Amino acid sequence: GESVGLHLPTLSVQEGDNSIINCAYSNSASDYFIWYKQESGKGPQFIIDIRSNMDKRQGQRVTVLLNKTVKHLSLQIAATQPGDSAVYFCAEMGGTYKYIFGTGTRLKVLA
Amino acid sequence: NAGVTQTPKFQVLKTGQSMTLQCAQDMNHEYMSWYRQDPGMGLRLIHYSVGAGITDQGEVPNGYNVSRSTTEDFPLRLLSAAPSQTSVYFCASSSYTDTQYFGPGTRLTVL
Repeated sequence: GESVGLHLPTLSVQEGDNSIINCAYSNSASDYFIWYKQESGKGPQFIIDIRSNMDKRQGQRVTVLLNKTVKHLSLQIAATQPGDSAVYFCAEMGGTYKYIFGTGTRLKVLA
Repeated sequence: NAGVTQTPKFQVLKTGQSMTLQCAQDMNHEYMSWYRQDPGMGLRLIHYSVGAGITDQGEVPNGYNVSRSTTEDFPLRLLSAAPSQTSVYFCASSSYTDTQYFGPGTRLTVL
């Protein structure tokens, strides 16, 4: 059964709406940021990444925004679908291959 | 391509028992790491390796040993299991220029 993700902040969105998941990172020296999706019973899956020399990067239905001034990262999912329901983690890395993960946000897509 | 594989998928141990969690990757990645994931928390780095013969401690290394004799394999050893080590364990690998790819996880319960 589900043991990961208890007591996580939850974002509930209507199917078809856009989702925005936010993350505050800790190290101002971090220069690489990643968003992962984790479905129940599975390992984290890469969604999109961004380096510190950029402030926006787009993928298929997803956009990552980076605000280095306030150490904030966001993930935007366009036209959210039921298959997007999962826990989303941000991670930062600063030159030593030590990734630091956020605690995660659970996304629930309402039909 | 198998990617990152982990065995076993599930394991129950008694306090004081020892065991090895296996991790293998077939992508010729230099970097490998072990994380643990507890309910309501993000992934915490246990140990990592930047190449064969090189390992280093992460955020929560106590109670765990690792070795990296080959590029492909990165086993995690629990020398004397404790209930506090009940968790889901993930192995990940990456090249120096790419993001991490995660295995499916090992769910460990220590009684």
